[in-house]
Amino acid sequence: DAGVIQSPRHEVTEMGQEVTLRCKPISGHDSLFWYRQTMMRGLELLIYFNNNVPIDDSGMPEDRFSAKMPNASFSTLKIQPSEPRDSAVYFCASRIDRGADTQYFGPGTRLTVL
Amino acid sequence: GEDVEQSLFLSVREGDSSVINCTYTDSSSTYLYWYKQEPGAGLQLLTYIFSNMDMKQDQRLTVLLNKKDKHLSLRIADTQTGDSAIYFCAETLYNQGGKLIFGQGTELSVKP
Repeated sequence: DAGVIQSPRHEVTEMGQEVTLRCKPISGHDSLFWYRQTMMRGLELLIYFNNNVPIDDSGMPEDRFSAKMPNASFSTLKIQPSEPRDSAVYFCASRIDRGADTQYFGPGTRLTVL
Repeated sequence: GEDVEQSLFLSVREGDSSVINCTYTDSSSTYLYWYKQEPGAGLQLLTYIFSNMDMKQDQRLTVLLNKKDKHLSLRIADTQTGDSAIYFCAETLYNQGGKLIFGQGTELSVKP
């Protein structure tokens, strides 16, 4: 299996622009998670989906952030408009809801907003 | 609320054992995990332990769980320079759909 796939790996954009991050979970996994990692705040859970349905979005910082999962093999995290304080590494993880409930992480997207 | 605490830094000599400690607060956690993050990479699952166990060994890794004190540790035997990374402890919140709560991460530096 290719693991969790994220794109792009790096994104540099200007303040005010729309940013879309993409994630392909591991095939057959039931849940998908979006995290943000910064030096100041560590690893924060933004939102997670179960069977394509958003379950908990309490970590989404504000209305500028939105996430969708139109099908079992694809999810997006959108920031519109982006701000410099959104600069971070964004990780997607997926999980099969059996056994040890282990989450498998993608390589991350490093976002820089100028 | 839920909280996972780790010390931020650990430095050891190559060949020594490393012990990374973690405390957590949620007694309902079913699984506890250790993840490794190398520079510029995502989090890689190292090992996990079920909450009804007190020890798990996997090659050079030993996980100890003291459920009474809510203390988890990861011991790496014969630490190598390739083990230099940030190590995250995480607990799963069973009553919140299995959300993971991560510690701040411990940066392990292995000196030759």
